[in-house]
Amino acid sequence: SQKIEQNSEALNIQEGKTATLTCNYTNYSPAYLQWYRQDPGRGPVFLLLIRENEKEKRKERLKVTFDTTLKQSLFHITASQPADSATYLCALDGSSNTGKLIFGQGTTLQVKP
Amino acid sequence: NAGVTQTPKFQVLKTGQSMTLQCAQDMNHNSMYWYRQDPGMGLRLIYYSASEGTTDKGEVPNGYNVSRLNKREFSLRLESAAPSQTSVYFCASNSGYQETQYFGPGTRLLVL
Repeated sequence: SQKIEQNSEALNIQEGKTATLTCNYTNYSPAYLQWYRQDPGRGPVFLLLIRENEKEKRKERLKVTFDTTLKQSLFHITASQPADSATYLCALDGSSNTGKLIFGQGTTLQVKP
Repeated sequence: NAGVTQTPKFQVLKTGQSMTLQCAQDMNHNSMYWYRQDPGMGLRLIYYSASEGTTDKGEVPNGYNVSRLNKREFSLRLESAAPSQTSVYFCASNSGYQETQYFGPGTRLLVL
């Protein structure tokens, strides 16, 4: 069956460092992948989308990579700030042309001042 | 624009009671989705509607029904609530395939 895995353990880093979050998937060939941010008690908010033919995407301090051979996406936050503390979810294209997404369980990032 | 709105924000039910969760979007999106989120499980799709007048099952549809009332509104009904349906429910919408999903604030449901 299709499976998406994110590191369930919280990631604790010092302010100013680069945070790297991992999303691995199996039994799957997604056309695209999305990353969302979720704060406690709120709905997820979209951050970045990367397509299968793109190796890297950037937006301000955020960078996403997509390796279809390794079946892995990495999400980087450079110069991290305490305000970046949240849970980050990766989501893959669930099936062709439907817009359905399959989400990972999320990784909680804590940035300490 | 309000984006995606959900009502109620919080609800307590007894086992066997029924209720309807309401969702509306003002972004003229074609597609709408209902998810549930449980600790350690991530978001799981319950039902979705690719366009007005159509609905389809997601990963965990048992115990739920949906209605796409019009382009703006997509409701989720629990006919006979069970403790296993205790969860946080999110509604989302987008304009179609490969597009960003916009989420509502969620409904926290406790079934006793």
